[in-house]
Amino acid sequence: EAGVAQSPRYKIIEKRQSVAFWCNPISGHATLYWYQQILGQGPKLLIQFQNNGVVDDSQLPKDRFSAERLKGVDSTLKIQPAKLEDSAVYLCASSRRGASDGNTIYFGEGSWLTVV
Amino acid sequence: AQSVAQPEDQVNVAEGNPLTVKCTYSVSGNPYLFWYVQYPNRGLQFLLKYITGDNLVKGSYGFEAEFNKSQTSFHLKKPSALVSDSALYFCAVREVGADGLTFGKGTHLIIQP
Repeated sequence: EAGVAQSPRYKIIEKRQSVAFWCNPISGHATLYWYQQILGQGPKLLIQFQNNGVVDDSQLPKDRFSAERLKGVDSTLKIQPAKLEDSAVYLCASSRRGASDGNTIYFGEGSWLTVV
Repeated sequence: AQSVAQPEDQVNVAEGNPLTVKCTYSVSGNPYLFWYVQYPNRGLQFLLKYITGDNLVKGSYGFEAEFNKSQTSFHLKKPSALVSDSALYFCAVREVGADGLTFGKGTHLIIQP
């Protein structure tokens, strides 16, 4: 089966500009996650969707980050305006259902953002 | 709150030797435990997980991990290392009943020919 698809793979923007990342999860996966991975650190959860509803967005910097999952499939993560510290890899992931029953979370290749 | 510790930033092993990458965790209840591997400029690839049952879990590419509840550890092991095993390895934990997956900071595994 096809994996989690993300685009673009690489993006360089100037600070205060905006950027958007797209994700298409594995077919049939109801739960979708966006993680931020800063160089030298483990991934940190930004937001989790169950179908098209938000389950957890407690670590999403809502003054500049937004995410949506229209129709419960594809998702978009937006940053506006970007700051230098937003330079990171943005990983999209999906799982069959809520993770609490031990379902494996599968990750995409990531979108690499550099803010200059 | 749940947390993961990977005490080693880097592990160096000669090719053909056994390898161990350490992971300890902290949760208030029972854990689900995972190992992922990340190659340069790639996303995270799932290696194996512990949900319940046998404490020794076998996964992809010959890797295995042993769940030790008394020591709250889930160390990753392989009997004979390959140069191609060189990568960044992440341990992750989820408390049963919770949705969030918490990652350690990662361990660079370097296999020397």
